[in-house]
Amino acid sequence: EVQLVESGGGLVQPGGSLRLSCAASGFTFSSYAMSWVRQAPGKGLEWVSAISGSGGSTYYADSVKGRFTISRDNSKNTLYLQMNSLRAEDTAVYYCAKFGGSWTDAFDIWGQGTMVTVSS
Amino acid sequence: EIVMTQSPATLSVSPGERATLSCRASQSVSSNLAWYQQKPGQAPRLLIYGASTRATGIPARFSGSGSGTEFTLTISSLQSEDFAVYYCQQYNNWPPPWTFGQGTKVEIK
Repeated sequence: EVQLVESGGGLVQPGGSLRLSCAASGFTFSSYAMSWVRQAPGKGLEWVSAISGSGGSTYYADSVKGRFTISRDNSKNTLYLQMNSLRAEDTAVYYCAKFGGSWTDAFDIWGQGTMVTVSS
Repeated sequence: EIVMTQSPATLSVSPGERATLSCRASQSVSSNLAWYQQKPGQAPRLLIYGASTRATGIPARFSGSGSGTEFTLTISSLQSEDFAVYYCQQYNNWPPPWTFGQGTKVEIK
């Protein structure tokens, strides 16, 4: 079964840091680009970041550029999101998602999400 | 950035009726358009990709159409499990960002 399981969310103070993880199983992880998508409470979906299968290419939304870093460890089938200088507006459920094929494809598999709350 | 606009924001439909949801892109996205369904407390689920191709396991009552800037998701006969929020997303933009519509909530009339 193809599965994505996020972890690492929690409560953090403004200006703090957090690292999210997404464990993948059921598919050849290194063959697929991966992404993070977030959803603020009661709001819609916002794409955050993406990374190629090899990890050599990364992309970020302007709202997180310079503060968040996406990475992956293909030997561990795990995707990461390092979040620094967190702000209240980063409060959201963070989902990892798998591209169906190439970059020009939809997100065909999603994890269950992990909640990040930025508050003092 | 390509802006995706969905209408209506809320759609009230009786079970068994047809639901038609719209999504408009601020510039052409060709057929690089997906629809997702999200139920409360759950992750989004891919319904349609390539504007009109159903994802694996999606019932035939869901259909997508359109290209360029105008897209439609139709649910031919609403079942109780179909009441949810639906999002469209374009993945044509290069380089990113890939963008989502604000969602349409389909509720029981």
